[in-house]
Amino acid sequence: DVKVTQSSRYLVKRTGEKVFLECVQDMDHENMFWYRQDPGLGLRLIYFSYDVKMKEKGDIPEGYSVSREKKERFSLILESASTNQTSMYLCASSLSQGRGEETQYFGPGTRLLVL
Amino acid sequence: QQPVQSPQAVILREGEDAVINCSSSKALYSVHWYRQKHGEAPVFLMILLKGGEQKGHEKISASFNEKKQQSSLYLTASQLSYSGTYFCGTRGGYQKVTFGTGTKLQVIP
Repeated sequence: DVKVTQSSRYLVKRTGEKVFLECVQDMDHENMFWYRQDPGLGLRLIYFSYDVKMKEKGDIPEGYSVSREKKERFSLILESASTNQTSMYLCASSLSQGRGEETQYFGPGTRLLVL
Repeated sequence: QQPVQSPQAVILREGEDAVINCSSSKALYSVHWYRQKHGEAPVFLMILLKGGEQKGHEKISASFNEKKQQSSLYLTASQLSYSGTYFCGTRGGYQKVTFGTGTKLQVIP
């Protein structure tokens, strides 16, 4: 069964702190994604990765960076957390970009509060 | 640019039908539908591919009008378990999937 796990369900940080959100998938998927979800705004893509050490900016990359050193792990980094980064963060993975293989499997999410 | 979903919210009684629409301003390669229940992660329902191929849920159907860049999700004989927020995601060519803002559906007894 497909499984995407995220390191924390809830996280409280202070403004200016460096924050790491970890995501691990056990399906040998090529693609991994980071989204943030805010009321009324849906799912917005922050960054994604098609392969190890490769990354692409999504729609809202400002204030974030990512790291993918191993195929199964994709990390989201908030270099200096700000209150407007308080949100639900969702990680997802998909097998590939191939036809019919692009279904995304989501992790349970990390609710981040920045004070 | 995010696809536009309509309606934003709908309340149904058990057994009633609903249609959720998704519209994009760009040519589409595929349309994805996901459902998210309160406090849970989004779960895949269906993918519709350019050319008519469709993969997904046995009790939920969808259509994809490639020329109009629109998709509709059809929920028939709704059950309480259908409650949640439905997201469509659109993809143009070898690009990322962009999700809409969601349609909140509530099924009541």
